[in-house]
Order: sequence, then structure tokens, then C-alpha cells
Amino acid sequence: EVQLVESGGGLVQPGGSLRLSCEASGFIFSSYEMNWVRQAPGKGLEWVSYISSSGTTIYYADSVKGRFTISRDNAKNSLYLQMTSLRAEDTAVYFCARGMTGYYYWGQGTLVTVSS
Amino acid sequence: EIVLTQSPATLSLSPGERATLSCRASQSVSTYLAWYRQKPGQAPRLLIYDASYRATGIPARFSGSGSGTDFTLTISSLEPEDFAVYYCQQRSKWPLTFGPGTRLDIK
Repeated sequence: EVQLVESGGGLVQPGGSLRLSCEASGFIFSSYEMNWVRQAPGKGLEWVSYISSSGTTIYYADSVKGRFTISRDNAKNSLYLQMTSLRAEDTAVYFCARGMTGYYYWGQGTLVTVSS
Repeated sequence: EIVLTQSPATLSLSPGERATLSCRASQSVSTYLAWYRQKPGQAPRLLIYDASYRATGIPARFSGSGSGTDFTLTISSLEPEDFAVYYCQQRSKWPLTFGPGTRLDIK
């Protein structure tokens, strides 16, 4: 069974940093592209970042470029999102999602709250 | 950035009725468009990819059509679980973008 489990969310002050993790199981992680998608409370979905299966190709939304870094460790079946210079508008549930053609598998999400 | 516009913002229908949801792109995305359904407190679920292909396990009452800038998601006969929010997403050009969503309410 494919599973994606996010962790690392929490309360952080504006300007602070946080590292999210997404642990994958039930499939060959190194064969799949991965993404981060977020959803602010009561709002719609926003794509955040993409990483290719090998990690060599990366893209970001303009809203996070220069502040967030996506990475993966295929040996550990894990995806990461390092978030720095956090702002109130980064408050959201962060989901990891597998694929590119369409995101068939999603994690349950981890809540990041940026507030003083 | 490709902007996706969804209409209507809210659609009120009864179970058994037909639903037609629209997604319009600010420039051509060819057929690189997906549709998702999201229920409260849950992750989105992929319904349609590449404009017209049903994802694994998605019932035949869901169908997608369109190409270029205009796309439609049709639900032929609404079931209780279909009352949720629907999003379209394009993968034609970076950054990837989602539409703002259509809320499908029970009338």
C-alpha cells in the first residue's frame, strides 16, 4: 500500500525556519517525481515545489522561491522541504504528493503556523 | 504564470442531477489539465488527468473534456459523496497552478 506521511509542522515565529519531511512507503520512491502542495486555512490549493526522481530538476512557486528548498534522500525514501524566512502567509497545511501527470497519492498533510 | 479560472464559484444541485464545471486557462495548456475533488479535512483526490483520462478507481459518472484553454468536468448523476470542492490544475508550464475551486453544494 502506498503511503506518504508528512511531519515537521508546528508553530514558528515570523522570520523563523522549519523543515518538513515526507516519508514514503509501498512503492519505489526513487522512481517517482514528488511535489509539495499547500493549503491555507479555508483557502484553495497552491503548488509549492517539484523535484524530479533523481533530484536533479527542481522548480518552485514564485511565492517561495529563494526561501524554500526542496530535496530528497532516495536511500531513506524521504522528501524534504526546508523553509526559511517564514511569513504569516506561509501558514497552511503542507501536503506531499507523488507524480507529475496527476497527483494520485497524497499525504495527510502537516500544519505550519507562522505567528508571533 | 498560467492563471486558471473556474466557474461557477458555487454550484447548488440535488443528488441525481448532472453537474457541469468549467476551467479556463489564461493561455493554452494543451491537454495537460487535471481535476481533483476535495472533501473537508481530507487531501484532494485525483479524478481526471490529461483532460479526459479517469484516474484509477474513479467511477464512470466522472468525465473530462477540453483542450487548449477551455475544459469541462461533468458528473453525470450526483452521488452524496460528490458534494465537495473541485479544483483544476495545469502542468503545461512552470510554475504549476491550480484554479480557485468550485464548491458543489447540496440544493
